[in-house]
Amino acid sequence: QSALTQPPSASGSPGQSVTISCTGTSSDVGTYNYVSWYQQHPGKAPKLMIYEVNKRPSGVPDRFSGSKSGNTASLTVSGLQAEDEADYYCSSYAGSNILVFGGGTKLTVL
Amino acid sequence: QVQLQESGPGLVKSSQTLSLTCTVSGGSISSDGYYWSWIRQHPGKGLEWIGNIYYSGSTYYNPSLKSRVTISVDTSNKQFSLKLSSVTAADTAVYYCARKRREFHYFDSWGQGTLVTVSS
Repeated sequence: QSALTQPPSASGSPGQSVTISCTGTSSDVGTYNYVSWYQQHPGKAPKLMIYEVNKRPSGVPDRFSGSKSGNTASLTVSGLQAEDEADYYCSSYAGSNILVFGGGTKLTVL
Repeated sequence: QVQLQESGPGLVKSSQTLSLTCTVSGGSISSDGYYWSWIRQHPGKGLEWIGNIYYSGSTYYNPSLKSRVTISVDTSNKQFSLKLSSVTAADTAVYYCARKRREFHYFDSWGQGTLVTVSS
């Protein structure tokens, strides 16, 4: 099981929208609707932002949304705010009780 | 609100066994519907899933680490543990424990993480 592929960096100005991609294979992202996204600020533990492709946990702003097409999942952050600057990781179920993460994307708010 | 806290040595010598414990509070470790997991993050790198355990003792491991990993659970003390054998410098990382939804495969609660350095 290989890591999911994410762009190393993304950026946007306050108020803009940014989309981060997460590309897997037909063995993980393409087959299962169990893609989740995590936000990690420096020195902190990851925080769940999206689960099951497009569901938001209680307390996560609706500015965060998720989607999937084929083997690629995406996280969109709308109305960018300074506090959204962080690292973002995707994860997917890969069958047989195996989980795989992406390499992470550093989001910069310009 | 469940809370998780990692504990264990921050420094391990090469070729020895890394041992960490995660203590669960604010909730039951025997709850149906949850796995208890270990995840690590190499310095400046991404996340790597290590493995999961159910309160019954069922385990699932990352195939790339399976030969060196053992995860166990102690329900009476609300703890689960990680042992990683034959460590090298490549095992230097921040180790997180986390709670994973059993059927929906996402991590909804995380410990703060603990840095383990492997020295020669």
